Amino acid sequence: AQSVTQLGSHVSVSEGALVLLRCNYSSSVPPYLFWYVQYPNQGLQLLLKYTSAATLVKGINGFEAEFKKSETSFHLTKPSAHMSDAAEYFCAVSDPPGGSYIPTFGRGTSLIVHP
Amino acid sequence: DGGITQSPKYLFRKEGQNVTLSCEQNLNHDAMYWYRQDPGQGLRLIYYSQIVNDFQKGDIAEGYSVSREKKESFPLTVTSAQKNPTAFYLCASSMVFPGDSNTEAFFGQGTRLTVV
Repeated sequence: AQSVTQLGSHVSVSEGALVLLRCNYSSSVPPYLFWYVQYPNQGLQLLLKYTSAATLVKGINGFEAEFKKSETSFHLTKPSAHMSDAAEYFCAVSDPPGGSYIPTFGRGTSLIVHP
Repeated sequence: DGGITQSPKYLFRKEGQNVTLSCEQNLNHDAMYWYRQDPGQGLRLIYYSQIVNDFQKGDIAEGYSVSREKKESFPLTVTSAQKNPTAFYLCASSMVFPGDSNTEAFFGQGTRLTVV
């Protein structure tokens, strides 16, 4: 069964600083990986996804993530944090066709941005 | 625009009552899911359905029931057997056999259920 672990339930950065949110996965097959963002009392919105093409994936709002098979990681980064980036971020994993299509989510990381 | 609609956004339940949360999608997705969200626990899968008239229990199905009579609709009933129903409930949908461009799940805006 696949799973994801998000390191750090809260990450605090200053506006303009680098954002790094960590995600490690466990899967028996090369997975599909996703990052979602959630603002208070709203649903989840897809930021970016990895589906076995380029290992460096660019998403919306200036975020990107790199798939590293050797480290089983899919960390999310943004060079310069903005106040509007404050939200909850979820890493998720599913299998490619032939495996389990059901997405499994990490526990989430709350990003706090200080002025 | 295609998407998922959950209603109501806020719901209050008295002790011993059953309540039903609505979820409708017009994305033509085969799979639909219900997740429960509690602070610090991420999203936990309650039920999922791959096809009309068929659904499977997720990790925390006790005290919940679902139906899938139409492809577009996947309502969730929170029964009186669910002892701690106060939470944020999210409905999602996805393709079952995606190409590389259709792999992600789409989410509704959620329903916040509170026991009063």
